[in-house]
Amino acid sequence: DVKVTQSSRYLVKRTGEKVFLECVQDMDHENMFWYRQDPGLGLRLIYFSYDVKMKEKGDIPEGYSVSREKKERFSLILESASTNQTSMYLCASSPTDEHNSPLHFGNGTRLTVT
Amino acid sequence: AQTVTQSQPEMSVQEAETVTLSCTYDTSESDYYLFWYKQPPSRQMILVIRQEAYKQQNATENRFSVNFQKAAKSFSLKISDSQLGDAAMYFCAYRIGNTPLVFGKGTRLSVIA
Repeated sequence: DVKVTQSSRYLVKRTGEKVFLECVQDMDHENMFWYRQDPGLGLRLIYFSYDVKMKEKGDIPEGYSVSREKKERFSLILESASTNQTSMYLCASSPTDEHNSPLHFGNGTRLTVT
Repeated sequence: AQTVTQSQPEMSVQEAETVTLSCTYDTSESDYYLFWYKQPPSRQMILVIRQEAYKQQNATENRFSVNFQKAAKSFSLKISDSQLGDAAMYFCAYRIGNTPLVFGKGTRLSVIA
């Protein structure tokens, strides 16, 4: 079974802090994604990556950056956390060559910025 | 912009009854993939069912089935013999080729004992 692991289940940070959310997958998937989930808004795509060192902006990239130095790891970075970034963050992965493959999700990180 | 619409923010169903969750989407592509995900309180996103747009036959997975109407761009999920464990958020999503999934806003399903 594919395992996608997010390093923290809950995180509390202060406004202005630099925040790192880590995600690791163990199935050698090329594609990795970061989504943000808010009540009434569903899942919105922040950034994604099709391979090492590659990154693409999603629908709401402002205030975020990402890093993909190794194939299995995709990090989401909040350069200067703000209260409007309080949310649930979901990481996911999928293989490139199976377009009908579902995304495999981590358990999510609930981030609170105070 | 490509969109997915789930018009029912909340639904409820009696245990053992059947419920249908609606989903419509907007794309000009002819080849794409459709998914329903379930998110229980544990927050883990679980794939419920998927459908390839080029297949006319509706997908089924045990108590879960879809009604896929390609011309109407509709992809509803039917849950038969509802169980307490079916209570969750349900998200409809679609994907074109290797692009990221586009999700709807979700439907919260309650199951009444």
